[in-house]
Amino acid sequence: TQLLEQSPQFLSIQEGENLTVYCNSSSVFSSLQWYRQEPGEGPVLLVTVVTGGEVKKLKRLTFQFGDARKDSSLHITAAQPGDTGLYLCAGLWGGSNYKLTFGKGTLLTVNP
Amino acid sequence: KAGVTQTPRYLIKTRGQQVTLSCSPISGHRSVSWYQQTPGQGLQFLFEYFSETQRNKGNFPGRFSGRQFSNSRSEMNVSTLELGDSALYLCASSAGTAYNEQFFGPGTRLTVL
Repeated sequence: TQLLEQSPQFLSIQEGENLTVYCNSSSVFSSLQWYRQEPGEGPVLLVTVVTGGEVKKLKRLTFQFGDARKDSSLHITAAQPGDTGLYLCAGLWGGSNYKLTFGKGTLLTVNP
Repeated sequence: KAGVTQTPRYLIKTRGQQVTLSCSPISGHRSVSWYQQTPGQGLQFLFEYFSETQRNKGNFPGRFSGRQFSNSRSEMNVSTLELGDSALYLCASSAGTAYNEQFFGPGTRLTVL
């Protein structure tokens, strides 16, 4: 069973601060996705990273896939209250027959 | 393009009853996955259907079952409900690409009393 560990589990910060959340596994993933889920809604795909060392930017969000493809990070610059939500990472590994494994998520609260 | 729709949005049942949840995927998507989300366990994979065939299955008891129709719409059924089945049930569709990127519906909130 492939497991994804996300940290921290909870994060509460003030508007304007920077933050980084992490997604780690002991397995090599062929690709990794990040989702954000707001209360009362389903998760929404933010990005997919595929290549080891890959960095993708989405406005104030920066996603990185580790060189060994076992870990990933999400960095948010100058967080805003609208960034509040549950951030989930999900991995796909070779031989999984397309089955995604989700981490338990990081619940981010950005206070005005 | 319309998103993933799930019905009903909210459901209250009592122990021992059964329930059927419905999911309509994004037009053209052939893969539908079901997840159970609870505060303690997070998002747990139930099963995935692709072109009417179950392609993957999670570690849930046989009380949880699903099916997919020829138009890709999917249903999941839970029989003999238990209190622990109270959760948000999410459906996601995928275009079937190599990365299996999921497009989620808003979920069905099931409460078992």
